[in-house]
Amino acid sequence: DARVTQTPRHKVTEMGQEVTMRCQPILGHNTVFWYRQTMMQGLELLAYFRNRAPLDDSGMPKDRFSAEMPDATLATLKIQPSEPRDSAVYFCASSGFSYNEQFFGPGTRLTVL
Amino acid sequence: GQQLNQSPQSMFIQEGEDVSMNCTSSSIFNTWLWYKQDPGEGPVLLIALYKAGELTSNGRLTAQFGITRKDSFLNISASIPSDVGIYFCAGRSNAGGTSYGKLTFGQGTILTVHP
Repeated sequence: DARVTQTPRHKVTEMGQEVTMRCQPILGHNTVFWYRQTMMQGLELLAYFRNRAPLDDSGMPKDRFSAEMPDATLATLKIQPSEPRDSAVYFCASSGFSYNEQFFGPGTRLTVL
Repeated sequence: GQQLNQSPQSMFIQEGEDVSMNCTSSSIFNTWLWYKQDPGEGPVLLIALYKAGELTSNGRLTAQFGITRKDSFLNISASIPSDVGIYFCAGRSNAGGTSYGKLTFGQGTILTVHP
């Protein structure tokens, strides 16, 4: 059953704390995307990787957000320090060599108090 | 940059009715995708379209890739309560380099189906 998995599904933390979200793309997919979803902004692309190399992170606040792909089966998105305005649902998606179709994980719902 | 306008923003319909929603773009896309998002879950791919004029069905869902390549339509026939959710269109252009593979998403259509 090929699916994108994300952990944790929910995270509540206090302002200033570090948050790490993890994603396992579908096996064999070489492109991984990080999105943030809020009511006001909808789905925003934060960053994406191809063959583990960062291609575009222009949607990400550089001072506090960082995204990495330590190996082909793991992508991480880190926020340090977290702020209340970071509260959102963060989705990871992956696609294969066709690049056309992206498959989304279930998301991490982040609440920063 | 590229923009997608999706309409309507929300729909309230009776079970059994047909539903239509559409997306228009300010620029040409070479791929159109339609997703559905259930509460608390990630978007799930419903239909993918790759050619201008293409009409593709998935059960009660039918989507079309507009001839101008700047629009797409999704129709749901004989709606049922489980059709409730948010429907997103997404498009991909021919832009190369670091833009290749990136999708532009519409704002979503919230569908409510009354039994």
